[in-house]
Amino acid sequence: KAGVTQTPRYLIKTRGQQVTLSCSPISGHRSVSWYQQTPGQGLQFLFEYFSETQRNKGNFPGRFSGRQFSNSRSEMNVSTLELGDSALYLCASSLRLDSYEQYFGPGTRLTVT
Amino acid sequence: GQSLEQPSEVTAVEGAIVQINCTYQTSGFYGLSWYQQHDGGAPTFLSYNGLDGLEETGRFSSFLSRSDSYGYLLLQELQMKDSASYFCAVRGDSNYQLIWGAGTKLIIKP
Repeated sequence: KAGVTQTPRYLIKTRGQQVTLSCSPISGHRSVSWYQQTPGQGLQFLFEYFSETQRNKGNFPGRFSGRQFSNSRSEMNVSTLELGDSALYLCASSLRLDSYEQYFGPGTRLTVT
Repeated sequence: GQSLEQPSEVTAVEGAIVQINCTYQTSGFYGLSWYQQHDGGAPTFLSYNGLDGLEETGRFSSFLSRSDSYGYLLLQELQMKDSASYFCAVRGDSNYQLIWGAGTKLIIKP
């Protein structure tokens, strides 16, 4: 079974631009979560989607948004990029909303200059 | 607020045993999970505790005490490849939102 895939793997953007990151979960997994990780930091929860609905949202500004499609694939969008948005963005999928085991993708490393 | 606390760094010797603690403060509790992340890699699931007690998976064990809001990950017969960051995570409310600790960097010396 293929793992979680994320595209692109690396991205360089300029302040003020917007970016869209994509995540394809493991086949059959309906829950997708997004995290931001900066060097030396833990995982900061962004949001979680299940059955195309946002179920949980972390403490991030409205510039961060996401969506989930009917095939469970998910995208997250960051508008008006700031230097502080430079981070590794991780996507994780799980079978159900209450699953205790999440499977992570390799992440997208975003650099904002 | 909801939070998890774990040591930022732990150092141990190859072949030894090390324990990484995690205390949590959440509005509810629906289980404690542990993840391992090597530098440059993605987190991978290690273990889960839903009830009090010890869960063993090979060289790794995880313990939970719900009355103390406390858990730990025990790594035995440490190998250099165990050098990584270890995160505890709790599902702490009825929305099942996963709350993460800041991670513990495990440094193993030969």
